[in-house]
Amino acid sequence: GAVVSQHPSRVICKSGTSVKIECRSLDFQATTMFWYRQFPKQSLMLMATSNEGSKATYEQGVEKDKFLINHASLTLSTLTVTSAHPEDSSFYICSAISGPATGVNTEAFFGQGTRLTVV
Amino acid sequence: QQPVQSPQAVILREGEDAVINCSSSKALYSVHWYRQKHGEAPVFLMILLKGGEQKGHEKISASFNEKKQQSSLYLTASQLSYSGTYFCGTERETSGSRLTFGEGTQLTVNP
Repeated sequence: GAVVSQHPSRVICKSGTSVKIECRSLDFQATTMFWYRQFPKQSLMLMATSNEGSKATYEQGVEKDKFLINHASLTLSTLTVTSAHPEDSSFYICSAISGPATGVNTEAFFGQGTRLTVV
Repeated sequence: QQPVQSPQAVILREGEDAVINCSSSKALYSVHWYRQKHGEAPVFLMILLKGGEQKGHEKISASFNEKKQQSSLYLTASQLSYSGTYFCGTERETSGSRLTFGEGTQLTVNP
């Protein structure tokens, strides 16, 4: 299957600082990428849909100014957690699909996830 | 709306079978199944389309009942490697490939 690489896998940062997480599709062009957040023993909650060359679409309740998403190329999307606080500590996972998000069933390939700890 | 998975947890002995269900109150276009090991990203298992198809490979298969908006994942002759949390992700025709995941079913296979 296709490969999605997420970096870093773990990051610890001080409260108030910003953290950038990268999500790369290594062997296919990802027109659409998705960013999820997962708390321990809970489900994956979709935060936003990232489309190459356009603004991300955020889910209800997700602060767009706090979670900045940039999808500058067909192989890279970044999530920046700005002014991070301890409550932002979580497991962040990206996924990518190889075609446009047209509602056609398309397998989503997940990155390895990023464990963010804000101290 | 988040799909409902059942059971929440199941413990098996190696070689036993299990069924995990995923139900939605909304009309679905497809259901995706993933398995996640602790601290790792979800791994894709299979996609099922509306139309009642059934899919499977080796000892893991699934079905999708469009009338009931329910999908079931069947694990037969379970192996230790099957342990993990299973999530169904549902897709609606208007959701643009966005998946809504259930709460997950924690499966433990013991020797």
